[in-house]
Amino acid sequence: DAKTTQPTSMDCAEGRAANLPCNHSTISGNEYVYWYRQIHSQGPQYIIHGLKNNETNEMASLIITEDRKSSTLILPHATLRDTAVYYCIVRGSARQLTFGSGTQLTVLP
Amino acid sequence: DAGITQSPRHKVTETGTPVTLRCHQTENHRYMYWYRQDPGHGLRLIHYSYGVKDTDKGEVSDGYSVSRSKTEDFLLTLESATSSQTSVYFCAISETVGDEKLFFGSGTQLSVL
Repeated sequence: DAKTTQPTSMDCAEGRAANLPCNHSTISGNEYVYWYRQIHSQGPQYIIHGLKNNETNEMASLIITEDRKSSTLILPHATLRDTAVYYCIVRGSARQLTFGSGTQLTVLP
Repeated sequence: DAGITQSPRHKVTETGTPVTLRCHQTENHRYMYWYRQDPGHGLRLIHYSYGVKDTDKGEVSDGYSVSRSKTEDFLLTLESATSSQTSVYFCAISETVGDEKLFFGSGTQLSVL
């Protein structure tokens, strides 16, 4: 599976959009991009995933560049409850999802 | 939350004792996973199951065994606990493989003294 690179931490003002970047320059054609988040002391929570096209659900939007070498997770109106560690994961045919260190997003009041 | 229950939620044990953690699901999902989470290492896969009595090793399986005799239960056993196995253990389930979403339990905090 391709390796991902994320910033260690980010801040965002409450009510503003949070844009979390992820680089995955070695991604191959059949690998999906997944985003999970983990709120302190809880289990990780699935957010969204995509292959080539941009995706949106009730939680977030996922923007994948045309060359698929990077993506951005967008939380359109961040709240204090969105403070968490956000993991970007690229996964191919293997059954295992490998979680890296992620980005600590802090939403500020 | 998806119907996943981990037990116990907290456990303190001594080095050399056997420990079994239980994961119970009510979603009838085929795939079940055990992860451990440690500072500086993120989440690492220990073992997973792709059906009743079908299991396979993850990246950090040494010192752990698993069993799945029913769809709903996935047990993780530390045959002889060591201090290096002090960690938070998460169970996860998924319905499919290949394009899967994992749903995680609330975790078990295990301390081996």
